[in-house]
Amino acid sequence: GDSVTQMEGPVTLSEEAFLTINCTYTATGYPSLFWYVQYPGEGLQLLLKATKADDKGSNKGFEATYRKETTSFHLEKGSVQVSDSAVYFCALSSGANSKLTFGKGITLSVRP
Amino acid sequence: NAGVMQNPRHLVRRRGQEARLRCSPMKGHSHVYWYRQLPEEGLKFMVYLQKENIIDESGMPKERFSAEFPKEGPSILRIQQVVRGDSAAYFCASSPPSRASDTQYFGPGTRLTVL
Repeated sequence: GDSVTQMEGPVTLSEEAFLTINCTYTATGYPSLFWYVQYPGEGLQLLLKATKADDKGSNKGFEATYRKETTSFHLEKGSVQVSDSAVYFCALSSGANSKLTFGKGITLSVRP
Repeated sequence: NAGVMQNPRHLVRRRGQEARLRCSPMKGHSHVYWYRQLPEEGLKFMVYLQKENIIDESGMPKERFSAEFPKEGPSILRIQQVVRGDSAAYFCASSPPSRASDTQYFGPGTRLTVL
């Protein structure tokens, strides 16, 4: 079945550091790929998405490119801020029902 | 346009009681998904509903759990005879009827604690 694998966490960075969070997937067909962010005590917010190979999703300085050849959707940001501290989930959606399959999530802490 | 609403935000039940979780989708959305987030884990799909129909319940435990999305009113996730292992955050998401958009919008979640 479908699965999403995220790098192990947690990750702690200093403000303005470069961020990469790895995500790889296994899926049948052609999934859509997503990054969701969860701030403490809140629900998930869509951060960005890509629906086909080589698409790049971007939002709030975050980017991720749908790489079909490596089945990856790594999240990057050039300069993180303290306010980016949250849990980040990679997810895919496939099939007629579009249900989401999530990775385990990774906690990012950014220190001033 | 109000987002996805869930209530209650926090729910405490003793073992053996029933838990009812409510979800009102975004206006114009007719698809509802329920997910469960256990501590230190990602979200797991439970059930997908459209108005008056259960489309996919492959993620639902076989016993004690049920879901509905009536013609009028919110979607309900019902857990009968709760056990400690049911303690988790339950999230509802909705999406519009168009197949062109598979983006799901999440509510704030209901955090269930079973004593």
